[in-house]
Amino acid sequence: DTGVSQDPRHKITKRGQNVTFRCDPISEHNRLYWYRQTLGQGPEFLTYFQNEAQLEKSRLLSDRFSAERPKGSFSTLEIQRTEQGDSAMYLCASSLTTGGAANYGYTFGSGTRLTVV
Amino acid sequence: ILNVEQSPQSLHVQEGDSTNFTCSFPSSNFYALHWYRWETAKSPEALFVMTLNGDEKKKGRISATLNTKEGYSYLYIKGSQPEDSATYLCAFIAGGYSTLTFGKGTMLLVSP
Repeated sequence: DTGVSQDPRHKITKRGQNVTFRCDPISEHNRLYWYRQTLGQGPEFLTYFQNEAQLEKSRLLSDRFSAERPKGSFSTLEIQRTEQGDSAMYLCASSLTTGGAANYGYTFGSGTRLTVV
Repeated sequence: ILNVEQSPQSLHVQEGDSTNFTCSFPSSNFYALHWYRWETAKSPEALFVMTLNGDEKKKGRISATLNTKEGYSYLYIKGSQPEDSATYLCAFIAGGYSTLTFGKGTMLLVSP
């Protein structure tokens, strides 16, 4: 297992276009998280899954954002009708449920840098 | 809304200097505090996960302390090296929650 993989690393898109990002977590991790980081800010929580169930969504996640984790493996994050304010680094992380937050920390991917022009 | 504050925002030191950063978080309903190091073009890497008041953890030249009663944690780097240059993030989890709330980070630059 090579850790958490995210694809693509960079994405430039025109305003109004749809984009989709993929995250492959560590295989034995049943929790998967999406965060977004904008310039000068720390990562902000967007949503998380436990196995295939989406358990929590942030108020930051507008109707234009949707995330899925079919079969509890990889996850996709789609942004429809992109806006310039969506430009950010989108980070994916995974962890174990049992004791993950209290013992091991999250394992992050390298992120997808989105630029909306 | 959980507020996690980090200071300073950025720091520039010379190789060999020792340095420390502060993370403050809500002192009530504490569950865990994480420290991450994020180097440019890489993934954030977990440094420490701390859960008990008075915890002290160490990894090489880097150590961290935790005070849950007053809501702060310190990260220390002894004898900074250029490879320590990175953004250091702290993140807090409250009891009953499942997700981390991050501070804005401290950006450290170590010059040779």
